[in-house]
Amino acid sequence: GAVVSQHPSRVICKSGTSVKIECRSLDFQATTMFWYRQFPKQSLMLMATSNEGSKATYEQGVEKDKFLINHASLTLSTLTVTSAHPEDSSFYICSAFYYGYTFGSGTRLTVV
Amino acid sequence: GENVEQHPSTLSVQEGDSAVIKCTYSDSASNYFPWYKQELGKRPQLIIDIRSNVGEKKDQRIAVTLNKTAKHFSLHITETQPEDSAVYFCAAMEYGNKLVFGAGTILRVKS
Repeated sequence: GAVVSQHPSRVICKSGTSVKIECRSLDFQATTMFWYRQFPKQSLMLMATSNEGSKATYEQGVEKDKFLINHASLTLSTLTVTSAHPEDSSFYICSAFYYGYTFGSGTRLTVV
Repeated sequence: GENVEQHPSTLSVQEGDSAVIKCTYSDSASNYFPWYKQELGKRPQLIIDIRSNVGEKKDQRIAVTLNKTAKHFSLHITETQPEDSAVYFCAAMEYGNKLVFGAGTILRVKS
């Protein structure tokens, strides 16, 4: 089946630094990648939709300058959390739609 | 946009009993409704899904029903086992293939 590989699985960074999260579609071409954020004991909230070769579409309330999304190829989408702060600590997970939804394994970001 | 409400937020059942989780959605154009099981720190796992042209679907101990008129769908788990304990999310697919998730239900199966 379709596989989305997400890295890193865990990252701890200092406040003010940037962190990049990668999602790769391993056996299919993902023209669209969805990025979700999940706070503890809460649901998955869609942050943005990345489209290969064009600008990402952000959901209302999500700062596009803080959460930079790049989808430069059909197999790679990246989310960069810029100038991270403790309130950005969360579980970030990507998903692609290919005969059904396929989720990455998630990234636990802790900002200290 | 789509709005999905899910109830209950927590559900405790005795092993062997049935569990039912209910969701409502707002967008009548939504046509795909998956259910996910998520364990702590892991990705959501699809357990069953249903499309809007079907009223019911069953897979062993798990079933989903859909009432398009009322815009609600439900997950039914029969003969619950301790390993069914997890967080369950319903979702609805809106335009652009976006998934909108319910708030989640913590299911505890007591042995």
